[in-house]
Amino acid sequence: DGGITQSPKYLFRKEGQNVTLSCEQNLNHDAMYWYRQDPGQGLRLIYYSQIVNDFQKGDIAEGYSVSREKKESFPLTVTSAQKNPTAFYLCASKAATRARDTGELFFGEGSRLTVL
Amino acid sequence: ELKVEQNPLFLSMQEGKNYTIYCNYSTTSDRLYWYRQDPGKSLESLFVLLSNGAVKQEGRLMASLDTKARLSTLHITAAVHDLSATYFCAVDRPGGYQKVTFGIGTKLQVIP
Repeated sequence: DGGITQSPKYLFRKEGQNVTLSCEQNLNHDAMYWYRQDPGQGLRLIYYSQIVNDFQKGDIAEGYSVSREKKESFPLTVTSAQKNPTAFYLCASKAATRARDTGELFFGEGSRLTVL
Repeated sequence: ELKVEQNPLFLSMQEGKNYTIYCNYSTTSDRLYWYRQDPGKSLESLFVLLSNGAVKQEGRLMASLDTKARLSTLHITAAVHDLSATYFCAVDRPGGYQKVTFGIGTKLQVIP
């Protein structure tokens, strides 16, 4: 079945360490996104990518980095520069053009990162 | 800057009752989305509203969109416990199909 796979589901990090969250999709979607969810704050956009080898900062990109070397993959690295990384991270994708889809986002199951 | 506001933020209701969740947004947009999130889980798409006056229904949920008032409603009819979840509305940002802005979410608790 088509979908989005995130791993790991749970991750613990010590302060000062970088960690990378994986996101893979087989929906043949062009656009991919990373969101951060904190209690009571809804979803905030970290980075997004519309095509391979291109990505854009979202609203809260500081302390994060991404790459888009393949259409299917959009990994997120949470660096030691991110001051408060404990959160629920969601990866999503959608078709890049309005003509191809209604625009709804398809989400992975999420990765819960805790800083010890 | 596009702002999306939902109300109420928390709703506790008895089974069998009706209620409406409201979503207001601050700038022109012609696409609005409703998502559902169960505790500890991801988001799933419920409705995509593409034009003014659009109405969609699925089971006990009905969503509508008034682009002139910049308002969408999610109406719950005869609530059942299985509808307990957090509901988010989201709106395409002006000039950018690629980004959406989410509301904070409405946590719905249906009490048997």
